[in-house]
Amino acid sequence: KQEVTQIPAALSVPEGENLVLNCSFTDSAIYNLQWFRQDPGKGLTSLLLIQSSQREQTSGRLNASLDKSSGRSTLYIAASQPGDSATYLCAAITGTYKYIFGTGTRLKVLA
Amino acid sequence: DTGVSQDPRHKITKRGQNVTFRCDPISEHNRLYWYRQTLGQGPEFLTYFQNEAQLEKSRLLSDRFSAERPKGSFSTLEIQRTEQGDSAMYLCASSLGGGGITDTQYFGPGTRLTVL
Repeated sequence: KQEVTQIPAALSVPEGENLVLNCSFTDSAIYNLQWFRQDPGKGLTSLLLIQSSQREQTSGRLNASLDKSSGRSTLYIAASQPGDSATYLCAAITGTYKYIFGTGTRLKVLA
Repeated sequence: DTGVSQDPRHKITKRGQNVTFRCDPISEHNRLYWYRQTLGQGPEFLTYFQNEAQLEKSRLLSDRFSAERPKGSFSTLEIQRTEQGDSAMYLCASSLGGGGITDTQYFGPGTRLTVL
C-alpha cells in the first residue's frame, strides 16, 4: 500500500530564505508525482508535475526533484515571500491514476 | 473560466440530515474523482468515474454515501443521515482519461461540510 509522508509538518521562516520541503513515498512504482499549494479553506492549486521519466521540473522560484529509487521528492522554494504562506501537498500518482496525498507542510513566511 | 466547479461551496447541516453536492468537470474530461479532506490531513480518494461508469470506490465510502454521474458530465455526491464525522472538505477533480502517464487531475475549489 502506497504511503506518502511529508516533513516537516510545519515550517516558519523569515522572508527571503530558500527552503526545501520533503516528500517520501513507500512504493517506487509511481507514474507521476505532483506538488500542490492549498490556501486555508480553499481547493488545490497545481504547482509542478514530475513524470516518472523526469528528475525535476522548474517553474519560476519553484523547483521540484524526483528520485524514484529512494522514494523521495523535494520542493525547493527560492527567495521565499509572505505570499508563499500556504500548505504544500505532494501526491504520488499510482497506476490506477489514484492520487495518494501526504499530510502536507504548513509554511509561514514572515515579513 | 472552464475549470472544475463545485456547488455549494459551504454547507452547514444538522446531524441526521441528507446533503447533496454537485461537481461540474472540465467539459472534455472523461474522468471525474471525489476526495475527502479532514482538517490537517491530505485529501483521501473516495471514488472515480470513467464517463458515467463508477469504476472504483474506496472503503471510506460507507453505505450512507452515494455518487452518480448519470450522463457522463456533472456528478453528485449524496450523504444520507449525516454524522459529525462527515464534517470535511469534499473535493472534486477531473481528467481527460486518455491513459498513459500524463492524465493530470484538475481540482475544484471544494465543498466544505459542517455537521452540527
